[in-house]
Amino acid sequence: RKEVEQDPGPFNVPEGATVAFNCTYSNSASQSFFWYRQDCRKEPKLLMSVYSSGNEDGRFTAQLNRASQYISLLIRDSKLSDSATYLCVVNMISGSARQLTFGSGTQLTVLP
Amino acid sequence: GAGVSQSPRYKVAKRGQDVALRCDPISGHVSLFWYQQALGQGPEFLTYFQNEAQLDKSGLPSDRFFAERPEGSVSTLKIQRTQQEDSAVYLCASSLAGGVNYGYTFGSGTRLTVV
Repeated sequence: RKEVEQDPGPFNVPEGATVAFNCTYSNSASQSFFWYRQDCRKEPKLLMSVYSSGNEDGRFTAQLNRASQYISLLIRDSKLSDSATYLCVVNMISGSARQLTFGSGTQLTVLP
Repeated sequence: GAGVSQSPRYKVAKRGQDVALRCDPISGHVSLFWYQQALGQGPEFLTYFQNEAQLDKSGLPSDRFFAERPEGSVSTLKIQRTQQEDSAVYLCASSLAGGVNYGYTFGSGTRLTVV
């Protein structure tokens, strides 16, 4: 079982739709959580950190449920430019405390 | 520099050839990481440096892989006797501090194809 699991998709949604991605992680001692975005043939870029209280950045809302070891990302009013792969990222204490572990990513395509 | 710079951008190697991949992190960034990303997968951790010290190399897949950062800035990932399964994008990332409460900044990667 992978340490960070995501639904690979693809998710194909129309412009303006709301879409949610989920992620589960296996190590209950994990401390830090992030969502990264990766465009085709580009490097991953930090989208947002995820905090226990939940946090919002414009159209993007991230939630963390430590009890269920579950992270989510909600995108409202999706734009064509949101098309990308979204990577769930967790700090795994079982390995190096200084490396992040990535899920395989969820592919999103926003259609006109 | 303004971002993390990696070179070469693309590398085609014949099986058995040695390759060296370079990473120039953001100036002042203490932590440097190497990741390997296979097609359709997320990045997989290879190794981590804090300044010149290699604190974690648990992700290196075999003893053919070697990384160094002798002066605490530029890092080189070397792969000896390349195999086809080494074909992947090699990503370098740096961050300001040693902890992981900060996100990383990634370079554009080196796409290695072993033929």
